[in-house]
Amino acid sequence: KQEVTQIPAALSVPEGENLVLNCSFTDSAIYNLQWFRQDPGKGLTSLLLIQSSQREQTSGRLNASLDKSSGRSTLYIAASQPGDSATYLCAVPLLIYNQGGKLIFGQGTELSVKP
Amino acid sequence: DAGITQSPRHKVTETGTPVTLRCHQTENHRYMYWYRQDPGHGLRLIHYSYGVKDTDKGEVSDGYSVSRSKTEDFLLTLESATSSQTSVYFCAISELGPWTENYGYTFGSGTRLTVV
Repeated sequence: KQEVTQIPAALSVPEGENLVLNCSFTDSAIYNLQWFRQDPGKGLTSLLLIQSSQREQTSGRLNASLDKSSGRSTLYIAASQPGDSATYLCAVPLLIYNQGGKLIFGQGTELSVKP
Repeated sequence: DAGITQSPRHKVTETGTPVTLRCHQTENHRYMYWYRQDPGHGLRLIHYSYGVKDTDKGEVSDGYSVSRSKTEDFLLTLESATSSQTSVYFCAISELGPWTENYGYTFGSGTRLTVV
């Protein structure tokens, strides 16, 4: 059974700091891994999607890496800003033949960036 | 996201009444999902659809039913609302390219439902 874990559950950093969020999964046979951001009271915004054949993806100040063999992904945020404050979720799909798939989510890391 | 909208955004209803939430997509994606999000439980799958009239249960389907008569619309119905169904409901869509690639989810903005 696939389980996804995120550490830490909460993180508070001063503005400008570089930071790393961690995501681990128990079954390394994944198709891809997706990172989301959720602001309070809002929906989920997709940040990065890493395919199983990729090692990393970059978007602006965000860089996500994937190591299938160790069951880990990291989300690196450079030069953090107060606007980065949100909950970050990682998720992997559990695919079912001809029925699409169901996302298995971690519990999220709540990030607070202090001015 | 512009390609997926949920309605209503907020709803307050009384215990025992039926409630229908709507998810509409303009992306022509095959797969659609309903999740609920609760403190301490994270996101849990209620029902999903893999085509018009093709649906299946998720992990928390009791008390819910779904219908998909068109590619673009996926309806979630609470047959007789209970206080335990107070939650935030999210719709999501996805599509498969090649079998193991190009597979990602897009979520709607959510419906906040309160059952009193």
